[in-house]
Amino acid sequence: DVKVTQSSRYLVKRTGEKVFLECVQDMDHENMFWYRQDPGLGLRLIYFSYDVKMKEKGDIPEGYSVSREKKERFSLILESASTNQTSMYLCASSPGSYERYFGPGTRLTVT
Amino acid sequence: RKEVEQDPGPFNVPEGATVAFNCTYSNSASQSFFWYRQDCRKEPKLLMSVYSSGNEDGRFTAQLNRASQYISLLIRDSKLSDSATYLCVVNGHSGNTPLVFGKGTRLSVIA
Repeated sequence: DVKVTQSSRYLVKRTGEKVFLECVQDMDHENMFWYRQDPGLGLRLIYFSYDVKMKEKGDIPEGYSVSREKKERFSLILESASTNQTSMYLCASSPGSYERYFGPGTRLTVT
Repeated sequence: RKEVEQDPGPFNVPEGATVAFNCTYSNSASQSFFWYRQDCRKEPKLLMSVYSSGNEDGRFTAQLNRASQYISLLIRDSKLSDSATYLCVVNGHSGNTPLVFGKGTRLSVIA
């Protein structure tokens, strides 16, 4: 079974803090993705990576950065958290272009 | 026109009912189509791929109409456990283009 794990299920941070969300997959997938999911807006792609040290902007990269130093790990960084970044963050991995295996999600609240 | 559009619902149906969801997509060059299921407060999981000839998996039938650019999901003999949000997913026009997720259709099956 593919397993995608995320470092925290729930996180509360203050405005202006630097936030790291970690994602690890154990299936040697090349592709990894970060999404956020908000009511009424659905899943929106923030960043993705097709290889180590590679990153591509998704639909809403502003306010975020990513790091992929190892194949199995893809980190999402909020340089200076803001209240509009309160959301559910979902990491996913994929062996190809299509099927996504999602992690359980991190519900981030920025106060 | 939005890339992937779905009726958000909710669809409230009694147990045993047949329910159908439709989804339209804007990119006529899309090649791959999927239905994902997302339970409340859980991550999305692949339900089934959608093939050109249509395909069935138990009580679930998926169909694709390329001419009209829509896909459908039919659920027969609904169970309480089918209650979830169903996400329509379409790939982009090239192999490396990330998937585009619809906002989802919420189904509640009532006893």
